[in-house]
Amino acid sequence: GDQVEQSPSALSLHEGTSSALRCNFTTTTRSVQWFRQNSRGSLINLFYLASGTKENGRLKSAFDSKELYSTLHIRDAQLEDSGTYFCAAGPRTGGYKVVFGSGTRLLVSP
Amino acid sequence: GGIITQTPKFLIGQEGQKLTLKCQQNFNHDTMYWYRQDSGKGLRLIYYSITENDLQKGDLSEGYDASREKKSSFSLTVTSAQKNEMAVFLCASSIGTGGGQNTLYFGAGTRLSVL
Repeated sequence: GDQVEQSPSALSLHEGTSSALRCNFTTTTRSVQWFRQNSRGSLINLFYLASGTKENGRLKSAFDSKELYSTLHIRDAQLEDSGTYFCAAGPRTGGYKVVFGSGTRLLVSP
Repeated sequence: GGIITQTPKFLIGQEGQKLTLKCQQNFNHDTMYWYRQDSGKGLRLIYYSITENDLQKGDLSEGYDASREKKSSFSLTVTSAQKNEMAVFLCASSIGTGGGQNTLYFGAGTRLSVL
């Protein structure tokens, strides 16, 4: 079936540093969504992309549907960025199924 | 804006028991989803529904039933709770037009423990 592979599985950053998370798809997907899950378990939608790039503050995401991957860049990491980041593929054209990756656990420390 | 309300927040069941989880949304969204999240893991799709009375199986539908009696509500039934099972069940909704943006919005989850 459709698979979404996220890397790295865990990441530690010091405040003020930057890094990127990656999401690889095994099959063509029409769109990608990025979420952050906080310590209470709440999932917040960060980005929805059908193509290209989007930026929101210190976060920037890119999606290349032909190369089957998406990235989420975190610039100038802050303590409140800690949490688990999930990417989700889909839905496909004409479909509704949205498939999640296993997540990247990010810890930002002082 | 809208909200997705999941009830109950915590559910403790006995082995073999049938348990029902409820989800209500006031976004007026067409599509609703049920996901299961085990500790430290990603989300796995159990069922989804693209309109009232529609049901579509996800990757993890065995052992579950679902019901979409109204556009605004989507319930999930664990048909026979498994001993020591612990998971969070997350409900989500999206506009679900099939051709446009289908951003998912999530509820806060129901945390299930089976004794």
